[in-house]
Amino acid sequence: SQQGEEDPQALSIQEGENATMNCSYKTSINNLQWYRQNSGRGLVHLILIRSNEREKHSGRLRVTLDTSKKSSSLLITASRAADTASYFCATANTGRRALTFGSGTRLQVQP
Amino acid sequence: GAVVSQHPSRVICKSGTSVKIECRSLDFQATTMFWYRQFPKQSLMLMATSNEGSKATYEQGVEKDKFLINHASLTLSTLTVTSAHPEDSSFYICSARDPTGLYGYTFGSGTRLTVV
Repeated sequence: SQQGEEDPQALSIQEGENATMNCSYKTSINNLQWYRQNSGRGLVHLILIRSNEREKHSGRLRVTLDTSKKSSSLLITASRAADTASYFCATANTGRRALTFGSGTRLQVQP
Repeated sequence: GAVVSQHPSRVICKSGTSVKIECRSLDFQATTMFWYRQFPKQSLMLMATSNEGSKATYEQGVEKDKFLINHASLTLSTLTVTSAHPEDSSFYICSARDPTGLYGYTFGSGTRLTVV
C-alpha cells in the first residue's frame, strides 16, 4: 500500500500550547481519518473528514482537508500531557476497503 | 461505538512454533476484518483483508502460507503466525469497519509478539 507522509515525525511542546500535524497522501480518497495511538496500544478514532468537506471540529481538535493539494492537518488546541501519543492520518481510498496509514507524528506534551 | 476485542495482548514464543491471534467483534457483525503489522516507531502496514466465509486477500509481499487467516464466523477472525522467526516479532493489530459508518474503523488493542 502506498503510505502517506506526515510531518513532523516528532513534536515536543509545552502543556497549553497548540500542536499541528500535517499529512499528505497520494491517491483519490473518500475520506480521511485521524487516529491516536498510545505506546504499545491499539488505535483510537479521533475524527473523520469527508472528501467534500474542508474543515471539521471536534472538541479541541480541528482538521482541515485540501484535496487539491492532497493534504490534511490536525490541530490540537490547549494541549495536555495526556495528549502525548502518536497520531496517524489514514485514508479510505477509492476502490480500496482497508485504510492506508500515514507515517505518523509522535507528540510529546511536557507538563 | 463498535468494539473489537483482540487476544492475546502479549505473547512470547520460541522460534519454529505457531501463534494464533484472535480478533472478535463484540457487538456487531463484521464480514470484513483487516490485519495490520506495526514495527517499532513505524506506521501500520496492511497485511491482509479477512473475508467471512471466503479466502483472505493478502497484500503484496505477505506470505499467505506463513500468516494464515481464518474468518469462519461474522464475529471472529484469527491470524496464525506459523513457524515463527525472530523477524516476525512485531505488533499485530486487527480492525473492522464500524457498521454505522460514523466512527471510521475500530481497532483491537493489538498483540505484541516476541519470537525468541
